[in-house]
Amino acid sequence: GAVVSQHPSWVICKSGTSVKIECRSLDFQATTMFWYRQFPKQSLMLMATSNEGSKATYEQGVEKDKFLINHASLTLSTLTVTSAHPEDSSFYICSARHFRASGRNEQFFGPGTRLTVL
Amino acid sequence: AQSVTQPDIHITVSEGASLELRCNYSYGATPYLFWYVQSPGQGLQLLLKYFSGDTLVQGIKGFEAEFKRSQSSFNLRKPSVHWSDAAEYFCAVGATQAGTALIFGKGTTLSVSS
Repeated sequence: GAVVSQHPSWVICKSGTSVKIECRSLDFQATTMFWYRQFPKQSLMLMATSNEGSKATYEQGVEKDKFLINHASLTLSTLTVTSAHPEDSSFYICSARHFRASGRNEQFFGPGTRLTVL
Repeated sequence: AQSVTQPDIHITVSEGASLELRCNYSYGATPYLFWYVQSPGQGLQLLLKYFSGDTLVQGIKGFEAEFKRSQSSFNLRKPSVHWSDAAEYFCAVGATQAGTALIFGKGTTLSVSS
């Protein structure tokens, strides 16, 4: 149980285009999802916290107009990279907090999406 | 400030030898602690976690970790390393209250020599 999927697993796009990445909790409801970014040979850095039905909370230095996050349902959050540029090329990983895990900060990670912007 | 430090960037261990990866954290209260492993180009796999109770935690693939409050440490150990253990290892800390993201250390790259 507690499986999180991401789609697509990898994407290549041209500079200036927009890319949407989906994060789904397959067998549980997630009121909170998190989006992380990982550059090569580096650690995961939190980009934003996504709460179902409300606006996402972005970390300092993350452009909210560039990285649009929508959490329209308890099982789906989307990250849209708008007007992507080569410097946005990275590994994007989402995680979902289990709805029933109250009192415990237990998150389940998706497999990640590799974005390459040409 | 909340932080996680993994002092060793890269460690090389002979196959069959024991392993210890260090993790220190800075946190205001008792945190939840995690170790993840990541193979190249792959996502994260949870090795083990500590929430409360017994300070020695057993995980998958023969790994264990010990929470030492006095040292603010959560070191990962394995008695005998296999070549397939070569990967990137991340220590992470989370708040005890629900709904907050994890803070990750910078990771330790493990190489296994034959």
